[in-house]
Amino acid sequence: EIVLTQSPGTLSLSPGERATLSCRASQSVGSSYLAWYQQKPGQAPRLLISDASSRATGIPDRFSGSGSGTDFTLTINRLEPEDFAVYYCQHYGSSPFTFGPGTKVDIK
Amino acid sequence: QVQLVQSGAEVKKPGTSVRVSCKTSGYTFTRHGVSWVRQAPGQGLEWMGWISGYNGNTNYAQKFRGRVTMTTDTSTSTAYMELRSLRSDDTAVYYCARGGIVPGDYWGQGTLVTVSS
Repeated sequence: EIVLTQSPGTLSLSPGERATLSCRASQSVGSSYLAWYQQKPGQAPRLLISDASSRATGIPDRFSGSGSGTDFTLTINRLEPEDFAVYYCQHYGSSPFTFGPGTKVDIK
Repeated sequence: QVQLVQSGAEVKKPGTSVRVSCKTSGYTFTRHGVSWVRQAPGQGLEWMGWISGYNGNTNYAQKFRGRVTMTTDTSTSTAYMELRSLRSDDTAVYYCARGGIVPGDYWGQGTLVTVSS
């Protein structure tokens, strides 16, 4: 089973700043089978990025993903008030398609 | 538009079973899988498995094998997830999502299952 580790656990930033979130896999997830989700309290997760770097439909271009193999990054440029949330990575290279523990981006 | 609408909240006693439904619309059901993910209170997301909308093939996380059954009804474009032998630590919000071997791009609203004696 591939274990995903996310860092930092919490990121405290101000609107307008850049957020850089990391997701590291215990072994290669195979090509770029890595997704990022955003979740706000009381809501279902929302897909942001698939295949490590492809934005999902309707996702603003301030969200970008990069990486391959075992190291992945989600970057949020110019944080908007609605971006403060928890972010999860998930791999789908081999079953089980585990999630990382999440990174909370909160307002500084 | 794509929608996944889940059944309502459930309260169950330990040792019993729960079945959550996920009625889909707005897309061709047989062209996509449905994943199930749960989230315990205050915790992260846990992948449970997925079912093919095309042929009903399933892929369950090892943790749930023997206790979970995922099925579909293609006539109503509905997916179901049954979890048996419920324990208190099964208390969680259960989500369905359109996906499977690809990430969930549309999600249901979630179903709270509370297991309590």
